[in-house]
This record gives sequence, C-alpha cells and structure tokens, in this order.
Amino acid sequence: ETGVTQSPTHLIKTRGQQVTLRCSSQSGHNTVSWYQQALGQGPQFIFQYYREEENGRGNFPPRFSGLQFPNYSSELNVNALELDDSALYLCASSTGRYNEQFFGPGTRLTVL
Amino acid sequence: AQTVTQSQPEMSVQEAETVTLSCTYDTSESNYYLFWYKQPPSRQMILVIRQEAYKQQNATENRFSVNFQKAAKSFSLKISDSQLGDTAMYFCAFMKPGNQFYFGTGTSLTVIP
Repeated sequence: ETGVTQSPTHLIKTRGQQVTLRCSSQSGHNTVSWYQQALGQGPQFIFQYYREEENGRGNFPPRFSGLQFPNYSSELNVNALELDDSALYLCASSTGRYNEQFFGPGTRLTVL
Repeated sequence: AQTVTQSQPEMSVQEAETVTLSCTYDTSESNYYLFWYKQPPSRQMILVIRQEAYKQQNATENRFSVNFQKAAKSFSLKISDSQLGDTAMYFCAFMKPGNQFYFGTGTSLTVIP
C-alpha cells in the first residue's frame, strides 16, 4: 500500500509568483486535506476536498485554491505569494470526512 | 471559534518512565473528535490516538492512553514505558463536524536514555 506522497520536497519562489503543490492520496482514499505549518507552529487547516468538491475551508484568503482529480490526487495553488506564505505544506488523505488522516511528508516552500 | 492549547512547549522523560502531555480545547460543539499526532524529526505526521467526544471511555493504544475530561475540555496523553523512538513533536488536534481540524502548537518530547 503506497502512502501519501507530495511533490516537490522543497521549493523556492519570489514574492508575487504563483506556486502549485501536488499530493497523491493513499490508495482507496477519497478525501484530501491541506495544511500550512509555519516554523514552530501547529498545522493550520487550509481546506479539504471530498470526491472532487471543496468540503470545508479554514481562514485562508482566496489566493489559496485547490483541486481534486478523479483519481483523488490533489493540487494546492497559491497566487501572489507573500513572504508569510513560507511554511511547510502538508497534505493528508483519508477514507472519509471523519476518518483518520494520513499525512504526507510535506513540501517546504520558501518565499524570498 | 475553536482553539486548542498545549501549555508545555518542551518536555523530557527518562527512558522507560511515564510522561503526560496536556491539551485543553475550547468549543461550543457537542459532537467532535480529538486526536494526538506525532511528528518525528523526519516530519511525517502519524496518528497516535483518537477519541470520539460521545464516548466516555478513554481511548488506549498499547503504551498510549488518554484522559478525556469532556466537562473540563481536557485531553491529555499518557505515554507509558517511554522509548527513544517516542522523541518527537506531539500535536493535539480537534475536529468538528464540517471537517475543520484545529491543531495545538505542539509539545516537543525528548526521551533521555
């Protein structure tokens, strides 16, 4: 059974640019959640996708958007990058909206 | 708004001893889930234990157990017979209907040989 994978591992962007982060769900999982984890902080919930539709959103501006594909993989897009967007971005998948979430290793984004 | 508070930024414990990590939360919801996650230095988060708010019995997973006090909104994690591999950041998390997860700021646990 393949776990949750994320790409890329590390990414460096400049302020104002756009970035796309990718997540492959664990086999059989139809729900994907994205989190932002700033250094020394706990993860902050960005949003969740369930069967290709957004199913809950945290306190993040619209420039944070996402997609879930028919194979349940997912993308997180961030437009107009700001310095404060520098963080570890975690993806987690589950078999349902209330079930245990399995986390990927994360993508470390640095905005200069 | 939901908040999760972990008041112990760092803790240490001798190998084979027992340690308890604290977590409190604030919510007006009656139905919710609570979790403890572990994030080792390799950074992949792993579920340690989960508690449904409607269950009065405290959850247990091998060496890990919780003390869930719903009225006090407290959810502490007890690790028995601590092992070196338990060294990690531990996050308490709250999930309410609507699927929003709220994490605490974490407790860094070091197991000393």
